Amino acid sequence: DSGVTQTPKHLITATGQRVTLRCSPRSGDLSVYWYQQSLDQGLQFLIQYYNGEERAKGNILERFSAQQFPDLHSELNLSSLELGDSALYFCASNREGARGETQYFGPGTRLLVL
Amino acid sequence: AQSVTQPDIHITVSEGASLELRCNYSYGATPYLFWYVQSPGQGLQLLLKYFSGDTLVQGIKGFEAEFKRSQSSFNLRKPSVHWSDAAEYFCAVGPNNAGNMLTFGGGTRLMVKP
Repeated sequence: DSGVTQTPKHLITATGQRVTLRCSPRSGDLSVYWYQQSLDQGLQFLIQYYNGEERAKGNILERFSAQQFPDLHSELNLSSLELGDSALYFCASNREGARGETQYFGPGTRLLVL
Repeated sequence: AQSVTQPDIHITVSEGASLELRCNYSYGATPYLFWYVQSPGQGLQLLLKYFSGDTLVQGIKGFEAEFKRSQSSFNLRKPSVHWSDAAEYFCAVGPNNAGNMLTFGGGTRLMVKP
């Protein structure tokens, strides 16, 4: 158990809908990362937050957005969902978000868009 | 741009046999290198990491990896595989100049024959 929690575990929705994925980092961790794992794209970095502020952005679609709240939990919002958004979404965290610092991954949220 | 290649998509070994999973990276500076394991339905667990110093690093579960700068490789090894090692293994490099995110290889699925 990494100490990172993600809810829900599974999510089934329809095209065009909007969903919110939630992540609680390990106690004391200030930095949160979101990754998407899909069959065709593999594991890809989406976005990183540090203490409430966006720090880095990867291959995140404009339909997707994220935020980190004062209690340090983070939410990833996916809107206007398409079939291709079906994937496993991971959250990871670490204390400082420093270069090379180990990231601890949650169990993921599996999203299925029908 | 940095990249990671895992040439073997699937590998099957017999229980008790030795294992080597290949990883090649492309990175413009001294890399931070990681190996993660993903068991079915689980998140990613860190096996080991390399930052600097001794090029042979020891990890959990009896795994080790060797950093070879001249070959841009970071291969994962285990002298004797157990059935519980069946999983998917990901090599990752990080960070790039834009932040602290990880860039993952495509993964190698390990199957263990009894």
